[in-house]
Amino acid sequence: SQQGEEDPQALSIQEGENATMNCSYKTSINNLQWYRQNSGRGLVHLILIRSNEREKHSGRLRVTLDTSKKSSSLLITASRAADTASYFCATDAETGNQFYFGTGTSLTVIP
Amino acid sequence: ETGVTQSPTHLIKTRGQQVTLRCSSQSGHNTVSWYQQALGQGPQFIFQYYREEENGRGNFPPRFSGLQFPNYSSELNVNALELDDSALYLCASSLPNPGIHEQFFGPGTRLTVL
Repeated sequence: SQQGEEDPQALSIQEGENATMNCSYKTSINNLQWYRQNSGRGLVHLILIRSNEREKHSGRLRVTLDTSKKSSSLLITASRAADTASYFCATDAETGNQFYFGTGTSLTVIP
Repeated sequence: ETGVTQSPTHLIKTRGQQVTLRCSSQSGHNTVSWYQQALGQGPQFIFQYYREEENGRGNFPPRFSGLQFPNYSSELNVNALELDDSALYLCASSLPNPGIHEQFFGPGTRLTVL
């Protein structure tokens, strides 16, 4: 089974609005990453947050991590039509060389 | 675009056949990971190769096997194909330990098993 689950499964917003998606995971982690995927293509890395960090920013992206709740959120501010994609969180297992993706949130930004 | 390439782009096989998928890693990366992504799902980790050795494996049966070559390119082999093997297969290259390093993904190979 996959490590993470994203919520909501699908999100539709107007251009210029903010988009928030959440990720929950099951076991202790070292780091959590967010990736983006356009239309069944390869994934693109967005941001990495370490288990000892609580918040991180990169451009219009803001990621938070709450290890006590085993959850993370990705906020995209001032969304654009080009942000339309699926977004996945991914975690590494604290032990062993394994890497887990969540189920993904499909974001549609309407121009 | 990343420097990771995969071949072929699309492939159609029948149940019971064998398939080999190929991946060329980005320059400077010695770690390759393979993922299976079913339609509408997130990628599932198959295994990881580091310096030509398997260095981590997900919950996939032994009929999923791989190789990594001295130039760090990699192959994924699947024997005795089943209908449920139909998926997008993604490879990603990175520096060692993809948990702490960005992974660079190829465009994927879409496998259809009939």
